[in-house]
Amino acid sequence: RKEVEQDPGPFNVPEGATVAFNCTYSNSASQSFFWYRQDCRKEPKLLMSVYSSGNEDGRFTAQLNRASQYISLLIRDSKLSDSATYLCVVNAMEYGNKLVFGAGTILRVKS
Amino acid sequence: DGGITQSPKYLFRKEGQNVTLSCEQNLNHDAMYWYRQDPGQGLRLIYYSQIVNDFQKGDIAEGYSVSREKKESFPLTVTSAQKNPTAFYLCASRPDGIYGYTFGSGTRLTVV
Repeated sequence: RKEVEQDPGPFNVPEGATVAFNCTYSNSASQSFFWYRQDCRKEPKLLMSVYSSGNEDGRFTAQLNRASQYISLLIRDSKLSDSATYLCVVNAMEYGNKLVFGAGTILRVKS
Repeated sequence: DGGITQSPKYLFRKEGQNVTLSCEQNLNHDAMYWYRQDPGQGLRLIYYSQIVNDFQKGDIAEGYSVSREKKESFPLTVTSAQKNPTAFYLCASRPDGIYGYTFGSGTRLTVV
């Protein structure tokens, strides 16, 4: 089983749509969680950290369910510029507290 | 502005050559990491360093080597022993604690 699993997509949605991505992780000892955005042929950039109580940043909402080892990202009112790959990221306390990356979910927002 | 600088942006390697990818940060971060990304795949950890003069192998260290002589610098050498080096290489750093990484803009390595 992979440490971090995501639906690869692609998710093709019209502008203005609401879209949700899910991610599961295998290490119950993980303590920190993130969503990164990666544009084509570019480096990943931190979109938001995910906190236990859930958190919101504008049109983006992240949720964490520790019991089910599940993380989600909700994007409301999708924009063309949201088209990218979204990476679910979880820390691993072993191996120097490294971050483990999911393979990513592709989002394509169309006009 | 603080950040991570990777160079070169594009690199071409002949069969049997060793090449070195540069990674420099001025964020005063202790931990630095090297990842490899292949098309359509996730990031895989090559090496990481939590402190100067110390580094550890990641999941795919074979055919690679690193050094950490200065806090700011963490160069990666792709040796001739790496049989399939064509990939996108990303360097990252993070401060102490549970924080996300900051990435450099990456180096695309191609074997010719």
